[in-house]
Amino acid sequence: QITLKESGPAVVKPTQTLTLTCSFSGFSFYTTGVGVGWIRQPPGKALEWLARIQWNGDKHYSPSLKSRLTITKDTSKDQVVLTMTNMNPADTATYFCARTVVPAVPFDYWGQGTLVTVSS
Amino acid sequence: DIQMTQSPSSLYASVGDRVTITCRASQGIGNFLAWYQQKPGKVPKLLISGSSTLQSGVTSRFRGSGSGTDFTLTITNLQPEDFATYYCQNYNSALWTFGQGTKVEIK
Repeated sequence: QITLKESGPAVVKPTQTLTLTCSFSGFSFYTTGVGVGWIRQPPGKALEWLARIQWNGDKHYSPSLKSRLTITKDTSKDQVVLTMTNMNPADTATYFCARTVVPAVPFDYWGQGTLVTVSS
Repeated sequence: DIQMTQSPSSLYASVGDRVTITCRASQGIGNFLAWYQQKPGKVPKLLISGSSTLQSGVTSRFRGSGSGTDFTLTITNLQPEDFATYYCQNYNSALWTFGQGTKVEIK
């Protein structure tokens, strides 16, 4: 059974750095092709792809947010961490992590999402 | 990066209708196109990958087609549980993008 779960603060202040952790089970970065991505969704708005890290360490970032994002993985712990610097109210959103298996499988399993509000 | 444009942004339909949603990529992406369904307050659900491959457990009322830059999601015999927002997603390049979504509402 594949599960993913996001964890992190519910509220961050403007200019702070957000750190989110995706803990997963049922698959592993030891498997070729496996990746984990982050997607966010502001309230009432569309999905936005943020970043992705692959089994081999390759990392990819949304061009519009690349300067603010860092994605890392801990293969032994089955975790992926996303950091986003200089948070502002426009970053208020539900943040999802999801599994992918490149090249053929996009995001097939998703976490429940975690709502992050940026407010002073 | 590749831009994904969906149309329409919303539509009204009745139970039993046939609905078509289009997704256009700003450059060719082969068949690396996925469709997701999202209901209010819920997690997106992968319906179709590879432009036309239905995920396990997804009803055959959903059909995907297209390649290159132009793609279509067709829902036949629309059912009450199909009223939701649908997103296309490019996963061809290193940089992935979602369309802006199409909300299917009850007429």
